Amino acid sequence: DQQVKQNSPSLSVQEGRISILNCDYTNSMFDYFLWYKKYPAEGPTFLISISSIKDKNEDGRFTVFLNKSAKHLSLHIVPSQPGDSAVYFCAASAGNQGGKLIFGQGTELSVKP
Amino acid sequence: GAVVSQHPSRVICKSGTSVKIECRSLDFQATTMFWYRQFPKKSLMLMATSNEGSKATYEQGVEKDKFLINHASLTLSTLTVTSAHPEDSSFYICSLRGPNEKLFFGSGTQLSVL
Repeated sequence: DQQVKQNSPSLSVQEGRISILNCDYTNSMFDYFLWYKKYPAEGPTFLISISSIKDKNEDGRFTVFLNKSAKHLSLHIVPSQPGDSAVYFCAASAGNQGGKLIFGQGTELSVKP
Repeated sequence: GAVVSQHPSRVICKSGTSVKIECRSLDFQATTMFWYRQFPKKSLMLMATSNEGSKATYEQGVEKDKFLINHASLTLSTLTVTSAHPEDSSFYICSLRGPNEKLFFGSGTQLSVL
């Protein structure tokens, strides 16, 4: 039972354009969502998060949007840079589960110069 | 700089042998560490929560006798895959929760069982 889904395994974007990575979830108890970025041979690193009381959180070039009614969140990167090429994981947690994170399968972003 | 040190980064072993993976917290004491596993093109799956000084808490479907977790100190947790078989081949990664409640991950261990 995949509670967090990233249906696009890969995404290719031109440098300078917007990258949009999508994530869907099924558990309505999730109240905190995170995005992690992973380079090859490295562990995931935290990128940005959003609480369920918000519908948008912005940090520099990165913005996360949350649509609770659709159980959907997205990560926007603008403008995209070649250094953004990595695998991006979305993750979700429910406050009543001790902060346990449920991860999506990841989306590999490739930003072409 | 790295907050979590995990090694080895890659290990190849014969079927039936045991493999130990270490996860060290470099910057702060971690009473709780998490062990994840990722199969190709699948999501990171939480295997167990390692608690310093007490028994680990395993997720449903994870064999505690096969995946031994020892959290002997506030800076070290180990995962031992006992009597490894080819189906145990996977990417194993540890993480810990920092003072700001953010998760920090190790660099992962790619286990290949022949």
